Amino acid sequence: EPEVTQTPSHQVTQMGQEVILRCVPISNHLYFYWYRQILGQKVEFLVSFYNNEISEKSEIFDDQFSVERPDGSNFTLKIRSTKLEDSAMYFCASNGPFFYEQYFGPGTRLTVT
Amino acid sequence: AQSVTQLDSHVSVSEGTPVLLRCNYSSSYSPSLFWYVQHPNKGLQLLLKYTSAATLVKGINGFEAEFKKSETSFHLTKPSAHMSDAAEYFCVAPSGTYKYIFGTGTRLKVLA
Repeated sequence: EPEVTQTPSHQVTQMGQEVILRCVPISNHLYFYWYRQILGQKVEFLVSFYNNEISEKSEIFDDQFSVERPDGSNFTLKIRSTKLEDSAMYFCASNGPFFYEQYFGPGTRLTVT
Repeated sequence: AQSVTQLDSHVSVSEGTPVLLRCNYSSSYSPSLFWYVQHPNKGLQLLLKYTSAATLVKGINGFEAEFKKSETSFHLTKPSAHMSDAAEYFCVAPSGTYKYIFGTGTRLKVLA
């Protein structure tokens, strides 16, 4: 069964460094998403992406964040200058054949020290 | 706008007893609703979904949920808990076109 994949599974970085989190959505999906989950808290929407542009973003998704679909398969989330509070699990998702059914990747745990 | 409220942050049940995880939604129309499960250090797995076809929805691993419009509820149930059901459960609703709104989650503990 096709699945969303994410790399790396765990990333440790120092404050102020740039990180890129990578996702490979399911191949025929058109809508892509990033969510984050700070430890012990609920999952929060960051951004949605369709047709090579951002469809919607939350207030969390400030100028330090950017997304890109550099080729036909990858979908990336970049954090330009990481802060301690960026430490979280980041989930990528893409839409299935039913518009509202999102398939989630296993997540990337980002630890900022 | 859609919102979901999970009424219990923690639920403990004994193995073999029924599970009830509560979710209420807020919407001016009949929504789509989902339950996702997250096992420790794992990703989010779809348990079941309601998309207006039938009010009683069956999912994986013996879970089911009933959409009750009169009560604006979508509670998750299972007749008999198993140790492997211990996890965090999220009630989720689409909001607008492009995002999910997650409930705060219910951590299910299953006692031997």
